[in-house]
Amino acid sequence: NAGVTQTPKFQVLKTGQSMTLQCAQDMNHNSMYWYRQDPGMGLRLIYYSASEGTTDKGEVPNGYNVSRLNKREFSLRLESAAPSQTSVYFCASTGLGSYNEQFFGPGTRLTVL
Amino acid sequence: GDSVTQMEGPVTLSEEAFLTINCTYTATGYPSLFWYVQYPGEGLQLLLKATKADDKGSNKGFEATYRKETTSFHLEKGSVQVSDSAVYFCALSDPGNAGGTSYGKLTFGQGTILTVHP
Repeated sequence: NAGVTQTPKFQVLKTGQSMTLQCAQDMNHNSMYWYRQDPGMGLRLIYYSASEGTTDKGEVPNGYNVSRLNKREFSLRLESAAPSQTSVYFCASTGLGSYNEQFFGPGTRLTVL
Repeated sequence: GDSVTQMEGPVTLSEEAFLTINCTYTATGYPSLFWYVQYPGEGLQLLLKATKADDKGSNKGFEATYRKETTSFHLEKGSVQVSDSAVYFCALSDPGNAGGTSYGKLTFGQGTILTVHP
């Protein structure tokens, strides 16, 4: 039982390049989330998926797209990376009846030059 | 909208000192409250939680009591260790008014860096 896994762990991009961050969970959770973490700002929700087949915007969705590929996987795509997207990205998931306790992946540290 | 405010950091303590990290919140409904901990280079881990007023969450010597009257959820530990050095996040999940469906979304405070010296 690996919990929530993310790939890659580190990535450096040039401005304008694209990439996809991958996330998978093996806990049979319905809901999945993408956050970004910046110094002094806590975690901010980018997008979430309440259940397979649905996605919704969070607090800071601009410049990102997501895909809920199946119940296990939820990917985050940067179509044209900008230096403002330099951050640490966390994926999380939660199941029904868990009082919204979220389980987090180890994070992806992204630098955009 | 919902918000969580944590005490300004960073916090530096000596081993065996008493720890308090303040957290207050604003929510429209009846939220669940959480403390998460992030050790260096890792993701967040749930430390403790409370789901209704007057509940006390506890884990690893840490405690926090859900105070509805003061909208607070302060984290305390009687004797900190070097291994407690980490970033601590207070968070809430608010079902709001839409039939209790928040889809598990969390609102986080900005985090408090704790450093404990031997």
